[in-house]
Amino acid sequence: GQQVMQIPQYQHVQEGEDFTTYCNSSTTLSNIQWYKQRPGGHPVFLIQLVKSGEVKKQKRLTFQFGEAKKNSSLHITATQTTDVGTYFCAGPGGGQNFVFGPGTRLSVLP
Amino acid sequence: GAGVSQTPSNKVTEKGKYVELRCDPISGHTALYWYRQSLGQGPEFLIYFQGTGAADDSGLPNDRFFAVRPEGSVSTLKIQRTERGDSAVYLCASSFGQRDTQYFGPGTRLTVL
Repeated sequence: GQQVMQIPQYQHVQEGEDFTTYCNSSTTLSNIQWYKQRPGGHPVFLIQLVKSGEVKKQKRLTFQFGEAKKNSSLHITATQTTDVGTYFCAGPGGGQNFVFGPGTRLSVLP
Repeated sequence: GAGVSQTPSNKVTEKGKYVELRCDPISGHTALYWYRQSLGQGPEFLIYFQGTGAADDSGLPNDRFFAVRPEGSVSTLKIQRTERGDSAVYLCASSFGQRDTQYFGPGTRLTVL
């Protein structure tokens, strides 16, 4: 079945440094979504990308969908302690299900 | 309601017992998903409802797991003969339609002793 991978698994950065997480799907995706989960919380939707090569920005966050629609990235500029959490990418699987990646856990040291 | 609610927030049960987990989606959302999340992992798809019908139950691990949504709103996930390996956080999410933004509830933490 479809697999969604993310790297790195963990990332520790100093506050103010940049951060990037990468998502790769074994199959072409019609769309990809990104979620953030704070420690002890539940996933919260960040954004959805639909078009090949699409780039979207939300303040310090930049999301990109690959040309082949099999990979995506999330880049955070000048991280802050409020960025701490786990970032998941997710996309439609076979049938009508939804597949989440394993996530990248971000720690930001003040 | 303002968001997706799930009850109970925590459930501790003994191996072999039966449990029911409830999800109350956002009003008007026709799509409802159940996921299971183990520590350090991403949410694992269990079942998707469109209205009252289970449109995709391919993620249910085995026949001990069953879910219903009789009136197209509240859903109940039922687990029979619980096993220690069922311990996880069970998340519910709803959306206006399939592939739309999913809004997650706070989850039910199930612990099977």
